[in-house]
Amino acid sequence: GQQLNQSPQSMFIQEGEDVSMNCTSSSIFNTWLWYKQDPGEGPVLLIALYKAGELTSNGRLTAQFGITRKDSFLNISASIPSDVGIYFCAGLLMDSNYQLIWGAGTKLIIKP
Amino acid sequence: NAGVTQTPKFQVLKTGQSMTLQCAQDMNHNSMYWYRQDPGMGLRLIYYSASEGTTDKGEVPNGYNVSRLNKREFSLRLESAAPSQTSVYFCAVGRGGVTEAFFGQGTRLTVV
Repeated sequence: GQQLNQSPQSMFIQEGEDVSMNCTSSSIFNTWLWYKQDPGEGPVLLIALYKAGELTSNGRLTAQFGITRKDSFLNISASIPSDVGIYFCAGLLMDSNYQLIWGAGTKLIIKP
Repeated sequence: NAGVTQTPKFQVLKTGQSMTLQCAQDMNHNSMYWYRQDPGMGLRLIYYSASEGTTDKGEVPNGYNVSRLNKREFSLRLESAAPSQTSVYFCAVGRGGVTEAFFGQGTRLTVV
C-alpha cells in the first residue's frame, strides 16, 4: 500500500531546544495533517495543511506543506516537558476522500 | 476526547471468541472510522462510514465487520478473534471527509 516515510523515529532533546521532523512520500497529497499522541490516549490534531507551500503555526508549532505536495515538515520551537509524546503525520491522497495514510511516528523524549 | 467514547477500554479474548467494540459520538459529525494501531506503525484504517447507512472497507478489513447503527454509533465486530488482531483500536469521527478527525481514547485488545 501507500507509505509515508516519517523521520526521525525518535529524538532525545534538551528542554529549550528546537525540534524538526518530516514526512516524505513518492505520492502526491492534497492534505497534510500533524497529530500528537500521549500515552494511553488517541491522537490529537495539531495542524492541518491544505495548499502546497502553506506554512501554518499553532503556538510554538509550525508546519509546512511541501511545494512538491510529496512532503511536510513540523517544527517545535523551545521545547518544554509537555511536548513529550509521539508525533504523527498523515496525508490524504489526491484521489481519496476518506483514507488517510499515516507515518509511523516520531517519538520525542526530553533528556532529564 | 470527550466527544468520542469507546467501550470497552481493555479486553482480553481467547482465540476464536467474538466481540464487538462500541463507539459513540456526541459531535454530530457524519463520518466515522475504525483504525488499528500496532507498535512502531502508524494507524491503519479498517472500515469507515461516510454517513449513516453506508460503510466501506479500508486498508485492513479482513477479519472485521462493522455496523453504522445510527448517526451516533459505529461498532466493530470480530467474529473469530486471532492473535494477529491484538492491537489498539481507535474510533474517529470527522465533519465531512477524513480531515481533522477526532479520536476516541482507544480499546486495547489482546487475543491469546
